[in-house]
Amino acid sequence: DAKTTQPPSMDCAEGRAANLPCNHSTISGNEYVYWYRQIHSQGPQYIIHGLKNNETNEMASLIITEDRKSSTLILPHATLRDTAVYYCIVRVNTNAGKSTFGDGTTLTVKP
Amino acid sequence: EAGVAQSPRYKIIEKRQSVAFWCNPISGHATLYWYQQILGQGPKLLIQFQNNGVVDDSQLPKDRFSAERLKGVDSTLKIQPAKLEDSAVYLCASSLDPWTASYEQYFGPGTRLTVT
Repeated sequence: DAKTTQPPSMDCAEGRAANLPCNHSTISGNEYVYWYRQIHSQGPQYIIHGLKNNETNEMASLIITEDRKSSTLILPHATLRDTAVYYCIVRVNTNAGKSTFGDGTTLTVKP
Repeated sequence: EAGVAQSPRYKIIEKRQSVAFWCNPISGHATLYWYQQILGQGPKLLIQFQNNGVVDDSQLPKDRFSAERLKGVDSTLKIQPAKLEDSAVYLCASSLDPWTASYEQYFGPGTRLTVT
C-alpha cells in the first residue's frame, strides 16, 4: 500500500474552515483515500473516504486532485471539539487491504 | 448499533509477565484488526483477520505476541513475556459490513498497557 505525507501540525480558528492536506504521490489506481481522526485518549474515528470524485458527508468534505496524488480534508466550520490528530491513509477496498497509519496531523482549533 | 468492545481498559504488569487483551467487534463485521500505538505515533498494524483466518501478521513479533479469532467473532491478543517496549495502547478495529461492502474501520477504545 502507498504511503502518505502530512504536515505534523496545524492551527485553525474556531468557526473557520480547516483544510488538512495529504500527499499520496505513489497511490495506485485501485487505492482509496481514507481519513480518520483520533481525539485524545480515544480510538481513531472514521471520517470519510473517496476514490477520485470529491465526497461530502455530515462531518467533512474530501477533495482529491485530478491526478489523485494529493487530497484535502475540509472541516467547514471547525469547533474546539475538532481538535485531534487527523490521519490520511490509502488502501485498496478488498479483504486484504491494509491501512498503514503515519503520524498524522495534529489539528488545534483555537477560540 | 454497539461499537467495538475491548477489555481491560488499563493494565499494568512487570516485564517478563504475560498479559491478554480481548476484543469483540461490531456484529457482522468479518475483518478484525489489532494495532499497537506507541505514545506520539500512529497506530501500527499487528495482525488482520478475515473471519477466523489471518490475512496479515507481518508486523507481529511472533516470538512473544500471539492472537486468535477461533470462531470468527471475538479475538484475544496475548503477550508473553512482556518487555518494557511493549508499553503502548492496543487498539482493536473491525470492518467489512457484508450488507454495504464498506471497508471503513471502527475502533474500540483501546487497552493501555504499562510494563514496568
